[in-house]
Amino acid sequence: ILNVEQSPQSLHVQEGDSTNFTCSFPSSNFYALHWYRWETAKSPEALFVMTLNGDEKKKGRISATLNTKEGYSYLYIKGSQPEDSATYLCVLNSGYALNFGKGTSLLVTP
Amino acid sequence: EPEVTQTPSHQVTQMGQEVILRCVPISNHLYFYWYRQILGQKVEFLVSFYNNEISEKSEIFDDQFSVERPDGSNFTLKIRSTKLEDSAMYFCASSEASPRDYGYTFGSGTRLTVV
Repeated sequence: ILNVEQSPQSLHVQEGDSTNFTCSFPSSNFYALHWYRWETAKSPEALFVMTLNGDEKKKGRISATLNTKEGYSYLYIKGSQPEDSATYLCVLNSGYALNFGKGTSLLVTP
Repeated sequence: EPEVTQTPSHQVTQMGQEVILRCVPISNHLYFYWYRQILGQKVEFLVSFYNNEISEKSEIFDDQFSVERPDGSNFTLKIRSTKLEDSAMYFCASSEASPRDYGYTFGSGTRLTVV
């Protein structure tokens, strides 16, 4: 089991604010890192799969970076909207299983 | 967009009873998984399945658990004699090929409550 830590645990921002979360993980045993967006009572939705040190990925207003040498990834949301409210999961792929962080719960209020 | 479907969404069972949780993975996916999340805790890996056999399993996946792909479309998780601590949200996932590049598609989960 690989320990994946996410911070903050929860975040409350106003509509239009930009925000970011952190995921940290053991820098060894790295295979791939996944970010998921998870709304209550729905399936986790894949945002990004990142494999290479220095990877930067973008999907609309959401982007992510990866540093495998120091063991962290950042997820950024630019101009948060109420529909961005969800739990954002960082998941480390060890090759045969996913190791989940506890997630960052984001609430965006109008 | 293709989905992973899980049924039922919520199941209540008495301690000691057998339960079967059902999943229909995406049709062209080759790798299948079960994960669970006990309330307030992290999502945990249970088992992975490929080519009609278990490829990996965690310590949680003891003799009380089994998986099956009975008909080429369903993927089931059976718990033989449920315990109170088996109460959790159980997620099925599937992957087209190597999850390194494709990631996983998750179902929306089955909430199992053991009373």
